[in-house]
Amino acid sequence: GQQLNQSPQSMFIQEGEDVSMNCTSSSIFNTWLWYKQDPGEGPVLLIALYKAGELTSNGRLTAQFGITRKDSFLNISASIPSDVGIYFCAGQTNFGNEKLTFGTGTRLTIIP
Amino acid sequence: GAVVSQHPSRVICKSGTSVKIECRSLDFQATTMFWYRQFPKQSLMLMATSNEGSKATYEQGVEKDKFLINHASLTLSTLTVTSAHPEDSSFYICSASGHNQPQHFGDGTRLSIL
Repeated sequence: GQQLNQSPQSMFIQEGEDVSMNCTSSSIFNTWLWYKQDPGEGPVLLIALYKAGELTSNGRLTAQFGITRKDSFLNISASIPSDVGIYFCAGQTNFGNEKLTFGTGTRLTIIP
Repeated sequence: GAVVSQHPSRVICKSGTSVKIECRSLDFQATTMFWYRQFPKQSLMLMATSNEGSKATYEQGVEKDKFLINHASLTLSTLTVTSAHPEDSSFYICSASGHNQPQHFGDGTRLSIL
């Protein structure tokens, strides 16, 4: 099935650094979601975006819904060890019970 | 936040066994539940979508007789892997969505068929 283009594929950063990742699509989505997955666990919802241009924060995390509705980015400020994991974006044509289209994932590693 | 419980977290069984995985939404009514399969270092692959009280909709290439889905109530969906074989070994994850609720995921089930 279709997947969203997510970049970078992996990141190696030092603790305290800021992180930025993005997701792009060839088609329009009306809902963008960002999830984090730890090894052996299911994805956990971080931020949900419902309106083009919307900028939403959740603690050190900030995500934006692109104005064209074809992209979204996620920023993490002042990274800490527990930020390690895989981050997935997901798009939905309409909010609600529709299936998600997932990004390919960004693996975040923090170098000691 | 919304809680989705998935059970069991890990199953190890012999080839030919049928395995049932449960997915429950604990604090909201899940009108739709989704079942995914995830291979190592890959994204989630949607297997099927189920709505309460109706037959599941399977994605292309997913055998409905192999992966039986029942969504009997607004809080429970089950996935049964029938006559499982080693190639069915994988990480299976459910998610649930409801009125004004984005998809929330369970913690997954690691299935290992010997």
